[in-house]
Parts: sequence; structure tokens; C-alpha cells
Amino acid sequence: GAVVSQHPSRVICKSGTSVKIECRSLDFQATTMFWYRQFPKQSLMLMATSNEGSKATYEQGVEKDKFLINHASLTLSTLTVTSAHPEDSSFYICSARAPFPTEAFFGQGTRLTVV
Amino acid sequence: AQTVTQSQPEMSVQEAETVTLSCTYDTSESDYYLFWYKQPPSRQMILVIRQEAYKQQNATENRFSVNFQKAAKSFSLKISDSQLGDAAMYFCAYRIGVDYGGSQGNLIFGKGTKLSVKP
Repeated sequence: GAVVSQHPSRVICKSGTSVKIECRSLDFQATTMFWYRQFPKQSLMLMATSNEGSKATYEQGVEKDKFLINHASLTLSTLTVTSAHPEDSSFYICSARAPFPTEAFFGQGTRLTVV
Repeated sequence: AQTVTQSQPEMSVQEAETVTLSCTYDTSESDYYLFWYKQPPSRQMILVIRQEAYKQQNATENRFSVNFQKAAKSFSLKISDSQLGDAAMYFCAYRIGVDYGGSQGNLIFGKGTKLSVKP
């Protein structure tokens, strides 16, 4: 199947700093990428949908000024957690939608810890 | 709105036995896709099996098969000859088939079922 690379896999940052997470589709062009957040022992919750060359679409309750998403090319989307706080600590997963087949492919996830 | 329900928070199976994980969904759409994803302790999401709603035949991938009942909106996963490596969280997911304005084809997940495999 297609490969999606997410980096970093783990990051620890101090409160008030910003953290950038990258999501790359390695062997296909992804016109749409999705960012999810997963709390311990819970399901994946969609945060935003990212389209190449346009503004991301955020789900209700997700602060767009806090979670900045940039989809600058067909193979790269980034999520920047700005002015991070301990409550932002979570597991963040990206996925990229391939033109064919129809399923989405997931990155390895990023465990963010804000101290 | 579309919803996905997994009513079994945890399941357990003996190695080499068969287990069935339940999933129901609600949608008014006729064109959609259903998926089962596996999330092992590494937390990498792995696609197990996919079913197109327009196909009557149940999808099968080696030891994994589904029982797709479209009228009942049920999509269960059967794992045969269970192996220790099958232990993981399993998520049922739905995706609309046609991209309408505002729908980008994102997946809607159930809450998951934690599967344990006993040696």
C-alpha cells in the first residue's frame, strides 16, 4: 500500500512554545490530507481537512489559530501547535487520501507532550 | 449525520479460534465505503479490509472477512485462526462514496474494540 510518513514520532516541548508536525505522502500525490487527534484509549477525532493550495477546513470546536495547518504541496501537509499547553498533549495522526484506491493511508502518529 | 457504533469495548479470543467484532452504522447515503482498521500498540493505523456498499459480495482478506448487511446497516469483522499478532484495537470506519461540497471523504470512526488473544 501507499506510504505516509509522519515526523516526529515523539516530541516534548515547553508550555508556550510551538511545535510543527510534518505529514508526507511518499509515493503518491495526496490532494487531501486529514489531521486527527487521539486521546488515550479513545477513537480518532477529526481535527481538520487539508487541501493542497487552499485553507484547511476545521471541525467544530477546533481552534484554527492554535492548530495551524499548511498544505503547501501535493505531498506535504504540516500541523503547527502554537503556544502549546499541557492540555494539548495528545497523539496526533495524519492521513492522506490517495486518488485510488479509496482508502486513506495513515502516518505513524506523533506523541506530543507539553511540560 | 453519519455515525458508527461499536458495541463491544473489549473482546477476547483463544489463539487459533474465531472471533467476530460487531459494527453498525447509520447513514442516509447509498454510496459509501466501510473499513476495518487495526491499531496495534505501536498506534500505527493499518487497513484490514474494505467494503464498497454497492458490492453485495462480502470482502475477504486471508483470515479476515466481513459480514456486510446493508439493509441492517451492519458490518461485522470475522477473524479466523486468531494469532497473537492480531491483538490490537480494531476500529470500524465509514466514508461517504461521493465527494459533495464540504465532504472531503474523511473517515468516521467507531469507538473501537480492544481484542486480546490468549495463547
